[in-house]
Amino acid sequence: DGGITQSPKYLFRKEGQNVTLSCEQNLNHDAMYWYRQDPGQGLRLIYYSQIVNDFQKGDIAEGYSVSREKKESFPLTVTSAQKNPTAFYLCASSIATRTHEQYFGPGTRLTVT
Amino acid sequence: KQEVTQIPAALSVPEGENLVLNCSFTDSAIYNLQWFRQDPGKGLTSLLLIQSSQREQTSGRLNASLDKSSGRSTLYIAASQPGDSATYLCAVRPQATDSWGKLQFGAGTQVVVTP
Repeated sequence: DGGITQSPKYLFRKEGQNVTLSCEQNLNHDAMYWYRQDPGQGLRLIYYSQIVNDFQKGDIAEGYSVSREKKESFPLTVTSAQKNPTAFYLCASSIATRTHEQYFGPGTRLTVT
Repeated sequence: KQEVTQIPAALSVPEGENLVLNCSFTDSAIYNLQWFRQDPGKGLTSLLLIQSSQREQTSGRLNASLDKSSGRSTLYIAASQPGDSATYLCAVRPQATDSWGKLQFGAGTQVVVTP
């Protein structure tokens, strides 16, 4: 089955530690995205990548980093510089066509204490 | 800057009633609008995508309309069922040149359908 997988489902970290969230897709989509969701708020774009070895900052990139070494994979690192990292993180992908219809993974809930 | 609003934030209806969910956006320069469903603690499931040139899109019991000039979209769910209980989000893809592929999301409407 084609789809987007995110791991782990739940992640707990101590303040001051970096943590990496995994996102893999087998849909052969060109573009991938990372969003953050906080309670009662819409999704906010962190980073996106249109093609391998290229990525751009979204609206809230501070304290985050990404890489895109393979078409299938777009890992997100939440660094210790991110002031409020506790949130629900969603990865998405789309074909680089006119519609850019986005498909989402199941999400990772990160809790930092 | 494009802003997307969904009112009300929460809605409760008895089973069988039709659901009407609203989405408004401030800038009519959009490529398309996408409606999503989100179950608690889960990712988003795409329901419908309406291109800016379209007036409506239908899938089963779901119908979404788009009035780009007034900055509004409405999602209709006919004959609601308890399984329709979820949060529904709308998102627009702006036409701005620096908005490649980006979506601007509303905060969602949480729907409860009571048996």
